[in-house]
Amino acid sequence: GQNIDQPTEMTATEGAIVQINCTYQTSGFNGLFWYQQHAGEAPTFLSYNVLDGLEEKGRFSSFLSRSKGYSYLLLKELQMKDSASYLCAVRGSSGGYQKVTFGTGTKLQVIP
Amino acid sequence: NAGVTQTPKFQVLKTGQSMTLQCAQDMNHEYMSWYRQDPGMGLRLIHYSVGAGITDQGEVPNGYNVSRSTTEDFPLRLLSAAPSQTSVYFCAVISGNTIYFGEGSWLTVV
Repeated sequence: GQNIDQPTEMTATEGAIVQINCTYQTSGFNGLFWYQQHAGEAPTFLSYNVLDGLEEKGRFSSFLSRSKGYSYLLLKELQMKDSASYLCAVRGSSGGYQKVTFGTGTKLQVIP
Repeated sequence: NAGVTQTPKFQVLKTGQSMTLQCAQDMNHEYMSWYRQDPGMGLRLIHYSVGAGITDQGEVPNGYNVSRSTTEDFPLRLLSAAPSQTSVYFCAVISGNTIYFGEGSWLTVV
């Protein structure tokens, strides 16, 4: 099976940097997703990591260490609109390549 | 969410009633899934399909039925609705390294 852990809630200040961590234990690993979800809306894609290292996309970066079962999402220059839940999800090999398991999400509140 | 159409958006059911949530995609992708989302529980996989005629169970399949007769459609059936099935349901299509979600269906069972 798969177990994914991420903090339940975080608070950060507008303009600051915040790091949201995700740890996972899986019987197989084929990639890790990060999604953003605003209240009452569907999740939207942020990043996908399959190799170790940091991938940067504008204000958002995602890091993966497969040996440690660890990923983080880094949000820079926080804006009020970044207040949302951030979902970590792992694509495993157990049960099929397309079986994707989500963590419970981290609710980020950005304050002025 | 372009390409993934999910209906209805809102539905109230009485306990014991049956209903079908519809999901259709126009991207011609093989992999489709249904998730439910509850407060504090995150997205949990109900059923998924790797192509027409092939379905499999996820984490929480009990009380739900699926079929995949075409690539485009992946309906989710609630056989006899229970209050525990009150939730938000998302259909998802996997295309390469991206998951596209439908807009969600808010279901209340009273």
